[in-house]
Amino acid sequence: GAGVSQTPSNKVTEKGKYVELRCDPISGHTALYWYRQSLGQGPEFLIYFQGTGAADDSGLPNDRFFAVRPEGSVSTLKIQRTERGDSAVYLCASSPGQGTYEQYFGPGTRLTVT
Amino acid sequence: GENVEQHPSTLSVQEGDSAVIKCTYSDSASNYFPWYKQELGKRPQLIIDIRSNVGEKKDQRIAVTLNKTAKHFSLHITETQPEDSAVYFCAHSGGYQKVTFGTGTKLQVIP
Repeated sequence: GAGVSQTPSNKVTEKGKYVELRCDPISGHTALYWYRQSLGQGPEFLIYFQGTGAADDSGLPNDRFFAVRPEGSVSTLKIQRTERGDSAVYLCASSPGQGTYEQYFGPGTRLTVT
Repeated sequence: GENVEQHPSTLSVQEGDSAVIKCTYSDSASNYFPWYKQELGKRPQLIIDIRSNVGEKKDQRIAVTLNKTAKHFSLHITETQPEDSAVYFCAHSGGYQKVTFGTGTKLQVIP
Protein backbone atom coordinates (compact mmCIF):
# COMPACT_ATOMS: atom_id res chain seq x y z
CA GLY A 1 0.00 0.00 0.00
CA ALA A 2 0.93 3.66 -0.19
CA GLY A 3 3.31 4.97 2.41
CA VAL A 4 3.39 8.32 4.16
CA SER A 5 3.57 11.17 1.69
CA GLN A 6 4.58 14.79 2.22
CA THR A 7 4.23 17.88 0.09
CA PRO A 8 6.02 19.86 -1.06
CA SER A 9 9.30 17.95 -1.21
CA ASN A 10 11.20 21.24 -1.21
CA LYS A 11 10.17 24.70 -0.10
CA VAL A 12 12.26 27.83 -0.34
CA THR A 13 10.85 30.91 1.37
CA GLU A 14 12.02 34.30 2.47
CA LYS A 15 12.56 35.22 6.09
CA GLY A 16 9.34 36.45 7.64
CA LYS A 17 7.00 34.53 5.32
CA TYR A 18 4.36 31.96 6.28
CA VAL A 19 4.61 28.33 5.15
CA GLU A 20 2.43 25.24 5.31
CA LEU A 21 3.73 21.71 5.08
CA ARG A 22 1.38 18.81 4.42
CA CYS A 23 1.46 15.19 5.52
CA ASP A 24 -0.71 12.32 4.27
CA PRO A 25 -0.35 9.38 6.64
CA ILE A 26 -0.80 5.73 5.82
CA SER A 27 -4.52 5.02 5.54
CA GLY A 28 -5.99 3.86 8.83
CA HIS A 29 -3.10 5.03 10.99
CA THR A 30 -4.51 6.86 13.99
CA ALA A 31 -1.28 8.40 15.27
CA LEU A 32 0.68 11.07 13.40
CA TYR A 33 3.97 12.68 14.38
CA TRP A 34 5.98 15.64 13.16
CA TYR A 35 9.75 15.77 13.55
CA ARG A 36 12.43 18.20 12.41
CA GLN A 37 15.87 17.04 11.28
CA SER A 38 18.82 19.36 10.91
CA LEU A 39 21.91 18.34 8.97
CA GLY A 40 23.95 15.71 10.76
CA GLN A 41 21.46 15.23 13.57
CA GLY A 42 18.71 12.84 14.47
CA PRO A 43 15.05 13.73 14.05
CA GLU A 44 13.73 15.98 16.81
CA PHE A 45 10.14 15.58 17.98
CA LEU A 46 7.72 18.47 17.40
CA ILE A 47 4.13 17.28 17.92
CA TYR A 48 2.04 14.10 18.10
CA PHE A 49 -1.63 13.62 17.16
CA GLN A 50 -3.89 10.81 18.26
CA GLY A 51 -6.89 11.17 15.97
CA THR A 52 -7.77 14.83 15.60
CA GLY A 53 -6.28 16.05 18.85
CA ALA A 54 -2.72 17.01 19.67
CA ALA A 55 -1.73 14.54 22.39
CA ASP A 56 1.71 16.10 22.91
CA ASP A 57 2.94 19.39 21.47
CA SER A 58 5.86 19.79 23.86
CA GLY A 59 8.40 19.78 21.02
CA LEU A 60 7.10 22.85 19.21
CA PRO A 61 9.92 25.39 19.63
CA ASN A 62 7.72 28.48 20.00
CA ASP A 63 4.32 29.90 19.14
CA ARG A 64 5.27 30.49 15.50
CA PHE A 65 4.76 26.76 14.98
CA PHE A 66 1.30 25.23 14.85
CA ALA A 67 -0.13 21.98 13.47
CA VAL A 68 -3.62 20.71 12.77
CA ARG A 69 -5.26 17.42 11.84
CA PRO A 70 -8.95 18.38 11.51
CA GLU A 71 -10.33 15.07 10.23
CA GLY A 72 -7.90 12.68 11.82
CA SER A 73 -6.02 11.96 8.61
CA VAL A 74 -4.08 14.66 6.74
CA SER A 75 -2.04 17.03 8.88
CA THR A 76 -0.62 20.46 8.16
CA LEU A 77 2.33 22.01 9.95
CA LYS A 78 2.20 25.79 9.85
CA ILE A 79 5.12 28.10 10.48
CA GLN A 80 4.59 31.84 10.81
CA ARG A 81 7.22 34.55 10.41
CA THR A 82 9.85 32.06 9.30
CA GLU A 83 13.43 32.51 10.44
CA ARG A 84 16.65 31.20 8.91
CA GLY A 85 17.01 28.87 11.89
CA ASP A 86 13.82 27.10 10.81
CA SER A 87 15.66 25.66 7.82
CA ALA A 88 15.63 21.87 8.14
CA VAL A 89 13.96 18.75 6.83
CA TYR A 90 10.51 18.36 8.34
CA LEU A 91 9.53 14.72 8.67
CA CYS A 92 6.11 13.26 9.25
CA ALA A 93 5.50 9.75 10.58
CA SER A 94 2.38 7.72 11.19
CA SER A 95 1.65 4.73 13.37
CA PRO A 96 -1.26 2.28 13.44
CA GLY A 97 -1.87 2.51 17.18
CA GLN A 98 -3.83 -0.36 18.74
CA GLY A 99 -0.86 -2.04 20.34
CA THR A 100 1.57 -1.29 17.51
CA TYR A 101 4.27 1.27 18.25
CA GLU A 102 6.10 1.31 14.91
CA GLN A 103 6.37 4.71 13.25
CA TYR A 104 6.73 4.95 9.48
CA PHE A 105 8.30 8.07 8.05
CA GLY A 106 7.48 10.12 5.00
CA PRO A 107 10.18 11.46 2.66
CA GLY A 108 10.22 14.84 4.35
CA THR A 109 9.94 18.44 3.24
CA ARG A 110 13.22 20.32 2.95
CA LEU A 111 12.53 23.87 4.10
CA THR A 112 15.04 26.58 3.27
CA VAL A 113 14.54 30.07 4.67
CA THR A 114 16.62 32.70 2.88
CA GLY B 1 15.53 13.12 31.24
CA GLU B 2 14.87 11.77 27.80
CA ASN B 3 18.34 11.99 26.28
CA VAL B 4 19.93 9.04 24.55
CA GLU B 5 23.66 8.74 24.01
CA GLN B 6 24.84 6.83 20.96
CA HIS B 7 28.33 5.69 20.05
CA PRO B 8 30.42 5.48 18.05
CA SER B 9 29.57 8.47 15.87
CA THR B 10 31.40 6.88 12.94
CA LEU B 11 32.28 3.27 12.26
CA SER B 12 34.23 1.73 9.41
CA VAL B 13 34.30 -2.04 8.94
CA GLN B 14 35.48 -4.40 6.26
CA GLU B 15 32.82 -6.16 4.27
CA GLY B 16 31.88 -9.38 6.03
CA ASP B 17 32.85 -8.14 9.49
CA SER B 18 30.39 -7.31 12.26
CA ALA B 19 29.32 -3.85 13.40
CA VAL B 20 28.06 -2.93 16.84
CA ILE B 21 26.39 0.34 17.84
CA LYS B 22 25.55 1.10 21.47
CA CYS B 23 23.06 3.45 23.10
CA THR B 24 22.34 4.54 26.65
CA TYR B 25 19.14 6.19 27.81
CA SER B 26 17.96 7.69 31.07
CA ASP B 27 14.14 7.62 31.03
CA SER B 28 12.95 4.69 33.15
CA ALA B 29 9.49 4.91 31.54
CA SER B 30 10.80 3.96 28.10
CA ASN B 31 9.50 0.62 26.91
CA TYR B 32 10.01 0.68 23.16
CA PHE B 33 13.40 0.81 21.41
CA PRO B 34 13.46 1.09 17.61
CA TRP B 35 16.47 1.36 15.33
CA TYR B 36 16.34 3.36 12.10
CA LYS B 37 18.58 3.32 9.05
CA GLN B 38 18.85 6.50 7.01
CA GLU B 39 20.60 6.69 3.66
CA LEU B 40 21.74 10.04 2.37
CA GLY B 41 18.78 12.19 1.37
CA LYS B 42 16.26 9.48 2.25
CA ARG B 43 13.72 9.00 5.00
CA PRO B 44 14.53 7.10 8.22
CA GLN B 45 13.61 3.45 7.77
CA LEU B 46 12.68 1.21 10.69
CA ILE B 47 14.93 -1.86 10.58
CA ILE B 48 14.28 -3.54 13.92
CA ASP B 49 12.72 -2.77 17.27
CA ILE B 50 12.44 -4.30 20.70
CA ARG B 51 10.08 -3.89 23.62
CA SER B 52 11.17 -3.80 27.22
CA ASN B 53 9.79 -7.24 28.06
CA VAL B 54 12.30 -8.83 25.67
CA GLY B 55 16.07 -9.01 26.09
CA GLU B 56 17.10 -9.84 22.55
CA LYS B 57 15.58 -9.93 19.09
CA LYS B 58 17.08 -11.10 15.82
CA ASP B 59 16.09 -10.62 12.19
CA GLN B 60 18.48 -12.27 9.72
CA ARG B 61 21.79 -10.36 9.99
CA ILE B 62 20.48 -7.79 12.43
CA ALA B 63 20.03 -8.24 16.17
CA VAL B 64 19.22 -5.92 19.03
CA THR B 65 19.89 -6.49 22.71
CA LEU B 66 18.35 -4.60 25.62
CA ASN B 67 19.53 -4.32 29.21
CA LYS B 68 16.74 -2.39 30.92
CA THR B 69 18.44 -2.48 34.32
CA ALA B 70 21.53 -0.77 32.96
CA LYS B 71 19.48 1.31 30.51
CA HIS B 72 21.44 0.44 27.45
CA PHE B 73 20.71 -1.30 24.16
CA SER B 74 22.78 -2.29 21.17
CA LEU B 75 22.47 -3.03 17.47
CA HIS B 76 24.53 -5.83 15.97
CA ILE B 77 24.95 -6.29 12.23
CA THR B 78 26.75 -9.44 11.12
CA GLU B 79 28.29 -10.23 7.72
CA THR B 80 28.15 -6.58 6.74
CA GLN B 81 27.62 -5.66 3.10
CA PRO B 82 28.31 -2.39 1.25
CA GLU B 83 24.56 -1.68 1.13
CA ASP B 84 24.57 -1.55 4.93
CA SER B 85 26.45 1.74 4.68
CA ALA B 86 24.20 4.47 6.09
CA VAL B 87 23.52 6.46 9.24
CA TYR B 88 21.89 4.42 12.00
CA PHE B 89 19.82 5.98 14.77
CA CYS B 90 18.81 4.35 18.00
CA ALA B 91 15.67 5.66 19.64
CA HIS B 92 13.34 5.11 22.56
CA SER B 93 9.83 5.99 23.61
CA GLY B 94 7.08 5.21 26.07
CA GLY B 95 5.07 3.40 23.40
CA TYR B 96 2.53 5.56 21.62
CA GLN B 97 4.42 8.67 22.57
CA LYS B 98 7.12 10.70 20.87
CA VAL B 99 10.30 8.93 19.88
CA THR B 100 13.59 10.38 21.11
CA PHE B 101 16.46 9.74 18.73
CA GLY B 102 20.16 9.30 19.32
CA THR B 103 22.77 11.36 17.54
CA GLY B 104 23.43 8.76 14.86
CA THR B 105 26.25 6.48 13.77
CA LYS B 106 27.65 6.76 10.29
CA LEU B 107 28.52 3.22 9.21
CA GLN B 108 30.84 2.67 6.29
CA VAL B 109 31.31 -0.86 4.98
CA ILE B 110 34.46 -1.10 2.93
CA PRO B 111 34.29 -3.62 0.04
